[in-house]
Amino acid sequence: EAGVAQSPRYKIIEKRQSVAFWCNPISGHATLYWYQQILGQGPKLLIQFQNNGVVDDSQLPKDRFSAERLKGVDSTLKIQPAKLEDSAVYLCASSPLRRGSSYEQYFGPGTRLTVT
Amino acid sequence: RKEVEQDPGPFNVPEGATVAFNCTYSNSASQSFFWYRQDCRKEPKLLMSVYSSGNEDGRFTAQLNRASQYISLLIRDSKLSDSATYLCVVTHSGGYNKLIFGAGTRLAVHP
Repeated sequence: EAGVAQSPRYKIIEKRQSVAFWCNPISGHATLYWYQQILGQGPKLLIQFQNNGVVDDSQLPKDRFSAERLKGVDSTLKIQPAKLEDSAVYLCASSPLRRGSSYEQYFGPGTRLTVT
Repeated sequence: RKEVEQDPGPFNVPEGATVAFNCTYSNSASQSFFWYRQDCRKEPKLLMSVYSSGNEDGRFTAQLNRASQYISLLIRDSKLSDSATYLCVVTHSGGYNKLIFGAGTRLAVHP
């Protein structure tokens, strides 16, 4: 079974530039997550999709971050404009959906973003 | 205060040692509990779920104390390959499987 795919794996940009990340979840997984992991910290949820609808974006800095999941499959996360503190690994994860229960989340390899 | 707190370590132990990690969580409504493992520059992967009755998977034992809001992971007979960061994770009730991660405890097993 193919895992969660992400691209690019690495990205270096200057502050105030824009950047976009792409994620393709495991086939059939209804739920897709974007996490931000700053060095030395655990992953922090930015946004969660159930099919193509947003169920949690409470920790997404909406003034600069946006995400979409068209057709309930692939997803893109965009940062515009980037700040130095956005330097982190951006992890995409997916899981099958069952309301009221917790299922394992499968993570992609992540995109390592460096903002200079 | 962070919602999930862990000792960051690092724990430096010799092969064959027994090592224990502790984790506390602040939200009494937390519903499910897990340990994830993250190798250096890799993605997190589920190590094991944690149940109130305690559970064991080979050399790994996880325990949960809901009254104290405390989770533990015990690794027996440590191997070099156990070197990684161990992330304590909780979810809330509400049905949307939101994971709250601790910052992780780093383990280094040496020969």
